[in-house]
Amino acid sequence: DGGITQSPKYLFRKEGQNVTLSCEQNLNHDAMYWYRQDPGQGLRLIYYSQIVNDFQKGDIAEGYSVSREKKESFPLTVTSAQKNPTAFYLCASSITVLNTEAFFGQGTRLTVV
Amino acid sequence: AQSVTQPDIHITVSEGASLELRCNYSYGATPYLFWYVQSPGQGLQLLLKYFSGDTLVQGIKGFEAEFKRSQSSFNLRKPSVHWSDAAEYFCAVGLMEYGNKLVFGAGTILRVKS
Repeated sequence: DGGITQSPKYLFRKEGQNVTLSCEQNLNHDAMYWYRQDPGQGLRLIYYSQIVNDFQKGDIAEGYSVSREKKESFPLTVTSAQKNPTAFYLCASSITVLNTEAFFGQGTRLTVV
Repeated sequence: AQSVTQPDIHITVSEGASLELRCNYSYGATPYLFWYVQSPGQGLQLLLKYFSGDTLVQGIKGFEAEFKRSQSSFNLRKPSVHWSDAAEYFCAVGLMEYGNKLVFGAGTILRVKS
């Protein structure tokens, strides 16, 4: 079945450590996105990528990094510079043409301990 | 700047009652509009979308939404709510000039009482 797979579902990190969240899609979509979700704030865009080897900062990119070496994969690294990393992280993908919608993964809940 | 406002943080309705969730947007061009639903700890599922044409759009699970350009609104409705509709609902604007990224509202949590 086609879809977006995020792993792991739950992730615990010690303060000062970097951690990488995985996102893989087999929908043959060009664009991929990372959103952060906090209670009462909706979803905020961290990074997005329209094509391989290219990505742009979203609204809250500080403390995060991404790569897009393959069309199917868009991993997100939460660095130690991110001051408040505990959140629910959602990956999405879409075709970058008119009249399309984004498809979402099931999310990764990151907790800093 | 583009923004989406969902004025109701929580809404409680009785099972079988009608539902309307409000959404207002701020965007200069003709918007692409979406409603997504999220169950706790899960990803988002698309309910419906508006790109052009008929301003009343039908979605899955018996939901519909009406685009009103004069009011910059895209309210979600359902004539009879079921207990399984309890979830969080997000309105979003799609920005094609930014790689089709979505700007989301803060969400409305729907509670259904029996």
